[in-house]
Amino acid sequence: EPEVTQTPSHQVTQMGQEVILRCVPISNHLYFYWYRQILGQKVEFLVSFYNNEISEKSEIFDDQFSVERPDGSNFTLKIRSTKLEDSAMYFCASSEAGASSGDEQFFGPGTRLTVL
Amino acid sequence: KQEVTQIPAALSVPEGENLVLNCSFTDSAIYNLQWFRQDPGKGLTSLLLIQSSQREQTSGRLNASLDKSSGRSTLYIAASQPGDSATYLCAVKDRGNNRLAFGKGNQVVVIP
Repeated sequence: EPEVTQTPSHQVTQMGQEVILRCVPISNHLYFYWYRQILGQKVEFLVSFYNNEISEKSEIFDDQFSVERPDGSNFTLKIRSTKLEDSAMYFCASSEAGASSGDEQFFGPGTRLTVL
Repeated sequence: KQEVTQIPAALSVPEGENLVLNCSFTDSAIYNLQWFRQDPGKGLTSLLLIQSSQREQTSGRLNASLDKSSGRSTLYIAASQPGDSATYLCAVKDRGNNRLAFGKGNQVVVIP
């Protein structure tokens, strides 16, 4: 069964460093998403991406964050200068269609980011 | 802003009992509602998707209902097993948005 994959599973970094989280969405899906979950809190939406551009972003997704689809299979989230409060589990998700449909979103296993 | 609440936050039941998990949301203008399962430190596994036009959806021992007008969904797990122990998350997709708004989850422990 097709699935969303994410690498690495765990990333440890020093405050102020840049990190890139990688995702491979399901191959025929067109919409891609990043969410995060701080320990003990709700899963929060960060950004959605369609047709090589951001289609929606939350107030969390500030100038420190960026997303890219560098090739036909990968989807990345970059955090330019990490802060302690960026420590969280980051989930990538994908769906066949987006805002105008009731399509199901499928999630990857997550990358646990620890900022020291 | 859509707010999703799940009650109870945590529950323990003996094996074989039926589980009833509740989810409420504040804005009824939704496209769909998804129930997910999350094991500790792991990703989200989609269990059921209910479209706004549907009243319920079933998969095996799982049944989810949706009452959009009152902003409620219930996940019903029949004949619970220890392997059902996990956190169950409810998430709604509003009309016109791409994002899912999540509840905090129902943490379930099924006691053998």
